[in-house]
Amino acid sequence: DQQVKQNSPSLSVQEGRISILNCDYTNSMFDYFLWYKKYPAEGPTFLISISSIKDKNEDGRFTVFLNKSAKHLSLHIVPSQPGDSAVYFCAASARFAGGTSYGKLTFGQGTILTVHP
Amino acid sequence: NAGVTQTPKFQVLKTGQSMTLQCAQDMNHEYMSWYRQDPGMGLRLIHYSVGAGITDQGEVPNGYNVSRSTTEDFPLRLLSAAPSQTSVYFCASSHRDSNYGYTFGSGTRLTVV
Repeated sequence: DQQVKQNSPSLSVQEGRISILNCDYTNSMFDYFLWYKKYPAEGPTFLISISSIKDKNEDGRFTVFLNKSAKHLSLHIVPSQPGDSAVYFCAASARFAGGTSYGKLTFGQGTILTVHP
Repeated sequence: NAGVTQTPKFQVLKTGQSMTLQCAQDMNHEYMSWYRQDPGMGLRLIHYSVGAGITDQGEVPNGYNVSRSTTEDFPLRLLSAAPSQTSVYFCASSHRDSNYGYTFGSGTRLTVV
């Protein structure tokens, strides 16, 4: 049972344009969402996060949108740069549900983003 | 500040052998986790710990054991390696109240032949 899904295995965009990466989840207990970026032969690194009490969070070129009713979130990168080419993972946790829930982070399958010069 | 350190970086095992993947963090993080990454499957949680002496199973715990005797260390033991355990393994740690999720190590690439 895949609780976090990234249905697009890959995305290709031109430098300077917008990249939109999508993520869907099924567990209504999830209340905290994160995006990670991963380069080959490295561990994932944190990019941006959003709590379920918000519907948008911005950090420079990166914006995450959350639609709780649709159980959907998206990551927008504007403008896209060749250095953004990497695998992007969406992740979710039941952070505020109490107990040990925050220790358990569930990831999607990842989307390979390629930004062409 | 070393962050999360995983050893070894690469390992080849024969079917049936056992081994321990080491993970250490120097950030005094309460939470630690082990993930495996396989093509098309993303990162799947094997085991996690919310503090010394406390561990719990993730999605894919079979064939793996963990213990957390100190805050700093969280070793992952493969009891009897199988080809299905060929994967890239990531250890990660996080402060309990962090807004930034987990900090990951650079991974261990394990091949079981």
